[in-house]
Amino acid sequence: DAGVIQSPRHEVTEMGQEVTLRCKPISGHNSLFWYRQTMMRGLELLIYFNNNVPIDDSGMPEDRFSAKMPNASFSTLKIQPSEPRDSAVYFCASSPGTENYGYTFGSGTRLTVV
Amino acid sequence: AQSVAQPEDQVNVAEGNPLTVKCTYSVSGNPYLFWYVQYPNRGLQFLLKYITGDNLVKGSYGFEAEFNKSQTSFHLKKPSALVSDSALYFCAVRDGTNAGKSTFGDGTTLTVKP
Repeated sequence: DAGVIQSPRHEVTEMGQEVTLRCKPISGHNSLFWYRQTMMRGLELLIYFNNNVPIDDSGMPEDRFSAKMPNASFSTLKIQPSEPRDSAVYFCASSPGTENYGYTFGSGTRLTVV
Repeated sequence: AQSVAQPEDQVNVAEGNPLTVKCTYSVSGNPYLFWYVQYPNRGLQFLLKYITGDNLVKGSYGFEAEFNKSQTSFHLKKPSALVSDSALYFCAVRDGTNAGKSTFGDGTTLTVKP
């Protein structure tokens, strides 16, 4: 099992550009989570999906952020337009979807907006 | 609502000494409790969990945690610390009413000195 796969590992973009982060969860996991980690705010849950359906997007900071999960093996997090304050490490995690299991995290995407 | 508190931002111990990283929680139903570890430039890794049963749970890398219902705590412990245990540790809680969504603490940085 390759684990949760995120791409790209690093992204540097200019303010105002569109950024798309990608995630492939572990096969068979029903829940998928997008987190953002910064020194100032720690680990923040942005959105999570269960069976490809968004369940809670209350953590999405602004309308500039959107997330999709078109099928069980792929999810995207898009920022349009990007701003310097969006600079952070973005993690995707997946879980079998019941209370009994922990999450498996990807290695993250380090986003820098200049 | 569920919440987690990690009262110490930083824990310093000498190699070979026992270590404890503290966590307290609040949930409305039965707690499902987790510990994760994050090494530099990596995603979070699952260490151990408490779901039900024995209050002392054992996990990866020689770590264990003790569930205390009356004190609503789930402290992470290890009898003999290694320099390689130095990392950022997160406690997380999930309750049965919000299956799939964990709440994470702010993290505790553990430094083990030779």
